[in-house]
Amino acid sequence: DAKTTQPPSMDCAEGRAANLPCNHSTISGNEYVYWYRQIHSQGPQYIIHGLKNNETNEMASLIITEDRKSSTLILPHATLRDTAVYYCIVRVFNRGAQKLVFGQGTRLTINP
Amino acid sequence: GAVVSQHPSWVICKSGTSVKIECRSLDFQATTMFWYRQFPKQSLMLMATSNEGSKATYEQGVEKDKFLINHASLTLSTLTVTSAHPEDSSFYICSARDHEGFNEQYFGPGTRLTVT
Repeated sequence: DAKTTQPPSMDCAEGRAANLPCNHSTISGNEYVYWYRQIHSQGPQYIIHGLKNNETNEMASLIITEDRKSSTLILPHATLRDTAVYYCIVRVFNRGAQKLVFGQGTRLTINP
Repeated sequence: GAVVSQHPSWVICKSGTSVKIECRSLDFQATTMFWYRQFPKQSLMLMATSNEGSKATYEQGVEKDKFLINHASLTLSTLTVTSAHPEDSSFYICSARDHEGFNEQYFGPGTRLTVT
């Protein structure tokens, strides 16, 4: 089972920052938080990941709370092409393997 | 980022036949690959994890004799759906982990399987 909870849908105006929340209250100390997005009928696209510290790359920023029980993905200047389902995932160790177990994600719609 | 390809991108087959889907990591070596299945309007469901040169590990509820996985090289994994039925129609997505990087996991574009 996925260890994350996300709102099912969100809307954001084009050009504004999109802030996508994620709860992962049962995360363990060595488990990473990953964010992917999936545009309709395509494979998921990697966005960013982190463990404790906030992270930033050319696509987004990831803010992880100090207790690591929640995080926020920030798309600083959303465009129409950012419309997608965004998945927050805790990479788990299970039966000796690291796995990405997807939850239901947040359907983000960017409005013109 | 690293590229994962899948072939074919879509396939239609008749009930009772078998179909093979290939997954390749194009510019990195992947000792671990994953197979997911996604039904319409649903999230991705992990089916199995495969490690190069060893048997795949299947998730609970996934029939290993129906979904045959072979990971014969560091850049290729195959999924064979045997004796396909209409309920096997789905979007199959593979993923590969780059062990040289920061353990990022990259996904292929998916294969749409329709069983008639």
